[in-house]
Amino acid sequence: DQQVKQNSPSLSVQEGRISILNCDYTNSMFDYFLWYKKYPAEGPTFLISISSIKDKNEDGRFTVFLNKSAKHLSLHIVPSQPGDSAVYFCAASHIGSSNTGKLIFGQGTTLQVKP
Amino acid sequence: KAGVTQTPRYLIKTRGQQVTLSCSPISGHRSVSWYQQTPGQGLQFLFEYFSETQRNKGNFPGRFSGRQFSNSRSEMNVSTLELGDSALYLCASSDPTSGGGETQYFGPGTRLLVL
Repeated sequence: DQQVKQNSPSLSVQEGRISILNCDYTNSMFDYFLWYKKYPAEGPTFLISISSIKDKNEDGRFTVFLNKSAKHLSLHIVPSQPGDSAVYFCAASHIGSSNTGKLIFGQGTTLQVKP
Repeated sequence: KAGVTQTPRYLIKTRGQQVTLSCSPISGHRSVSWYQQTPGQGLQFLFEYFSETQRNKGNFPGRFSGRQFSNSRSEMNVSTLELGDSALYLCASSDPTSGGGETQYFGPGTRLLVL
């Protein structure tokens, strides 16, 4: 049972345009969501997060949107740069003694930004 | 602050052997989580330690174990290695007392190859 899903394995965009990466979840108990960027054979790098009490969070070129009713979140990168080419993972967590320290990850979306 | 460090970065073992991986968290972070990344299963949670106590455990066999020391450094051990244990093992640290959601910061990982 995959609780966090990234249905698009890959995405290709032109440099300077917007990249939109999507993520769906099934567990309504999730209350904290994160996006990570990952290069092969390296650890994930934290990009941006959002709490379930918000619907939007911005940090520079990165904006995360959360739609709780649809159980959907998205990451917008504007403008996209070639250095953004990587695998992007969304992750979710929820508070509770049985859930401490545990992030549940989607399968990842490979973003390619073409010059 | 220095980031999360993991040693060794690469390891080759044979079936039946055991292996110990090490993780040093970001200074001040007392929570350490471990994940396994494989092409087929993605990023899977192994366990989490806080103040030398295992607080949470994922769905992995007992061959996978860990511990945390008083300085928050953590080790994980895999005994009786199987071919399927070949993976990238990632360690992440966080500060659960920071309030809000728990953002985890990852190390570079240890690439384990079992022959």
